[in-house]
Amino acid sequence: QSVLTQPPSVSGAPGQRVTISCTGGSSNLGTGYDVHWYQQVAGTAPKLLIYGNNHRPSGVPDRISGSKSGTSASLAISGLQAEDEAHYYCQSYDSLSGSRVFGGGTKLTVL
Amino acid sequence: QVQLQQWGAGLLKPSETLSLTCAVYGGSFTDYYWIWIRQPPGKGLEWIGEINHSGSTNFHRPLKSRVTLSVDTSKNQFSLKMSSVTAADTAVYFCARGRNSNGSGTYYKGYYFYYMDIWGEGTTVTVSS
Repeated sequence: QSVLTQPPSVSGAPGQRVTISCTGGSSNLGTGYDVHWYQQVAGTAPKLLIYGNNHRPSGVPDRISGSKSGTSASLAISGLQAEDEAHYYCQSYDSLSGSRVFGGGTKLTVL
Repeated sequence: QVQLQQWGAGLLKPSETLSLTCAVYGGSFTDYYWIWIRQPPGKGLEWIGEINHSGSTNFHRPLKSRVTLSVDTSKNQFSLKMSSVTAADTAVYFCARGRNSNGSGTYYKGYYFYYMDIWGEGTTVTVSS
């Protein structure tokens, strides 16, 4: 059971907008720790998509965005493309466990 | 372009010690935390622990008693050792660079805000008798 909760799967048609939620608690997101997001295409290493709740690293398109409020965070992908099909993970810090923690991951399927 | 290249034994027997090394090419070794993460087959990511250039470490508590992290600053390398492995330790192991600032001054935060911006390609470790 992950400290950060994500839906197991989401889907959308090309061109549509999808959001992936990440729900934490008072010892992680609720404390004010930032959330970061990673994309993992099957068989490859994760890639940083969003850091510090809503900052995009160089090279990540602006159709990808992140937000955080209280104990929840969201990743939004608009203009869905076939290449977006992957697993997405949120990550933060949890003071109760003293660990960096990941969500369980969400599989995005592009229909 | 910073790259992480990792290597180590891929097949172990129960009770043996897992040993992996990650080399950092093309960037500073002193400004970051160097992190190990693993992913069991078909499952999500699990943080194992991290170390900085001066040897300061932090560990995932359930693994702390079995994990040793070290750095070799002369070679820009860091290493993971995990003792007494079992089948539950079968996973892909990733090394990654952890940072808490974006270098442009628009994001700079404390230790708890580290994120992993560069990852190694992963090493598959299988524990089987």
